[in-house]
Amino acid sequence: GNSVTQMEGPVTLSEEAFLTINCTYTATGYPSLFWYVQYPGEGLQLLLKATKADDKGSNKGFEATYRKETTSFHLEKGSVQVSDSAVYFCALSRYNFNKFYFGSGTKLNVKP
Amino acid sequence: DTGVSQDPRHKITKRGQNVTFRCDPISEHNRLYWYRQTLGQGPEFLTYFQNEAQLEKSRLLSDRFSAERPKGSFSTLEIQRTEQGDSAMYLCASSPNTSGSYNEQFFGPGTRLTVL
Repeated sequence: GNSVTQMEGPVTLSEEAFLTINCTYTATGYPSLFWYVQYPGEGLQLLLKATKADDKGSNKGFEATYRKETTSFHLEKGSVQVSDSAVYFCALSRYNFNKFYFGSGTKLNVKP
Repeated sequence: DTGVSQDPRHKITKRGQNVTFRCDPISEHNRLYWYRQTLGQGPEFLTYFQNEAQLEKSRLLSDRFSAERPKGSFSTLEIQRTEQGDSAMYLCASSPNTSGSYNEQFFGPGTRLTVL
């Protein structure tokens, strides 16, 4: 079947620290992978995506590389800010199915 | 604002009552999705429309749940005889009508349902 596993939170970091949020997936076929972010009181927003193996998605200083050999799509940022505090969801979608499978989310708290 | 909108944002109801939620997708998007998100979990797929056709329904969507998308524009999700286990955030998303799994889904702010 299709599923996504994320590291449990909350993750608490000081401003300017390095961030890694682990995400691994199980899928049949060739999925596309996504990171969504949910700020307090807001809807989910796409952060970045990768559609095939070895692709790197990037946005707002965040990066994630689609690793087929390890079935992973870890989210990284070199220097987090207080404004990055949010819940981050890893998700996959199989080709032409369009239905998304989400991980359980990882809450990030960044302290000044 | 041209994003996905949902109404109401919050709904409190008593067990056994019926509730209906509305979603207005981005106007040029033909695909519309409903998800349910419980506390501490990621969104779970409920159902999906291509224009007015409901193409897929999750096993999570019991016979107390019904979704419609008349005329392929807005959509409604109705829950009959609500139960406390229905308490959750109900999310609507839309995406453009192009093939391929790499289509981003645009999410609304959600409707939070509390069943007392």
